[in-house]
Amino acid sequence: GDSVTQTEGLVTLTEGLPVMLNCTYQTAYSTFLFWYVQHLNEAPKLLLKSSTDNKRTEHQGFHATLHKSSSSFHLQKSSAQLSDSALYYCALSDVGDNSKLIWGLGTSLVVNP
Amino acid sequence: GPKVLQIPSHQIIDMGQMVTLNCDPVSNHLYFYWYKQILGQQMEFLVNFYNGKVMEKSKLFKDQFSVERPDGSYFTLKIQPTALEDSAVYFCASSRRLGDNYAEQFFGPGTRLTVL
Repeated sequence: GDSVTQTEGLVTLTEGLPVMLNCTYQTAYSTFLFWYVQHLNEAPKLLLKSSTDNKRTEHQGFHATLHKSSSSFHLQKSSAQLSDSALYYCALSDVGDNSKLIWGLGTSLVVNP
Repeated sequence: GPKVLQIPSHQIIDMGQMVTLNCDPVSNHLYFYWYKQILGQQMEFLVNFYNGKVMEKSKLFKDQFSVERPDGSYFTLKIQPTALEDSAVYFCASSRRLGDNYAEQFFGPGTRLTVL
């Protein structure tokens, strides 16, 4: 079945350094990939989404490129800010309206001054 | 942006009792979802719901679970009777139909259910 793998449970870095959170996936179908961000005691919110191979998608300083050849959708940011500290989830959904989301375990990003 | 509300934020209940988790979805949304997240594990799909009917459910959606949205009010998840393994955070989400495009799911902050 479909699955999403986020290899890092916790990433700690200093403000100003680049961010890269890994996400790989397995699916037999055409799919959408997503990054959701969840700040403490808040709802998960959509950060990025993509279904187009090799096209960079950007939002709020973060970017990701879906690479179907390597089944990856890594999240990157050039310079971390303190406010980026949060839980980041990678998820996939098979193409089609309102399909269920398959989630990774999540990566907790802690940005220190 | 659009907000999904969940009531209550925390619920503690004795095993065997019934519990109802309430979700107030985004007002013009038509599709509703429940996800379950056990502590330390990934979020998992339970069920989605449209036009008064369950569209799809996972194997986690046991016979003791039911969902409904009577007369456009709260979208509810009822568990009767509860079991210890039902302890988790339950997230509600809603989305609107967008034709062939993916319809973003908007999430609530979750209800933490503890079954003793």
